Amino acid sequence: QSALTQPASVSGSPGQSITISCTGTSGDVGGYNYVSWYQQHPGKAPKLMIYDVSKRPSGVSNRFSGSKSGNSASLTISGLQAEDEADYSCSSFTTSSTYVFGTGTKVTVL
Amino acid sequence: QVQLVQSGAEVKKPGASVKVSCETSGYTFTNYYLQWVRQAPGQGLEWMGTINPSHGTTNYAQKFQGRLTMTRDTSTSTVYMELNSLTSEDTAVYYCARELPKTCFFDFWGQGTLVAVSS
Repeated sequence: QSALTQPASVSGSPGQSITISCTGTSGDVGGYNYVSWYQQHPGKAPKLMIYDVSKRPSGVSNRFSGSKSGNSASLTISGLQAEDEADYSCSSFTTSSTYVFGTGTKVTVL
Repeated sequence: QVQLVQSGAEVKKPGASVKVSCETSGYTFTNYYLQWVRQAPGQGLEWMGTINPSHGTTNYAQKFQGRLTMTRDTSTSTVYMELNSLTSEDTAVYYCARELPKTCFFDFWGQGTLVAVSS
């Protein structure tokens, strides 16, 4: 199972919006609405930010939103803040009843 | 409150085995699957496998078939991940994470356990 493809880095200024893509296949992202996104600060465990493509867990800011089209999913962070600087990874359920993560994206707040 | 507390860092020689524990609390142990995910230095997250603590059934990534074993102890609400025949490529931080069955996302994570493999 190959990792989902994400850009290595994305940057934006405070207040701006950025979007991170996550590209898979019909056997994972395209086949299920089971895409989730995780935020990870250096040296810390991942934190769930989005599940089921576009749902936010309780306590996650509504500045975070998710979507999907075909074999690609996206995470958008609006009103970028310094605290959003972190690594972000997508994940999907697969036809093999396994999970696959993305390659990870480093978000930099300029 | 939900907590997943993992065992401490390990240093192993190539060819050895490592067993990492994940002690859970704050919820009904048998109501949630536990996942194991690892992250090599500077790399992305990698899913390793799942254990259903209620039945002890497991599902491993094909990459780890034959050298990965996940077990659980319901008396202590603890799951274990044992990886054999270690190589330097197994050097990583290993995480356990909780999943409500069939929801396909991981809502709580352990703090991670560094396993370093070096001769």
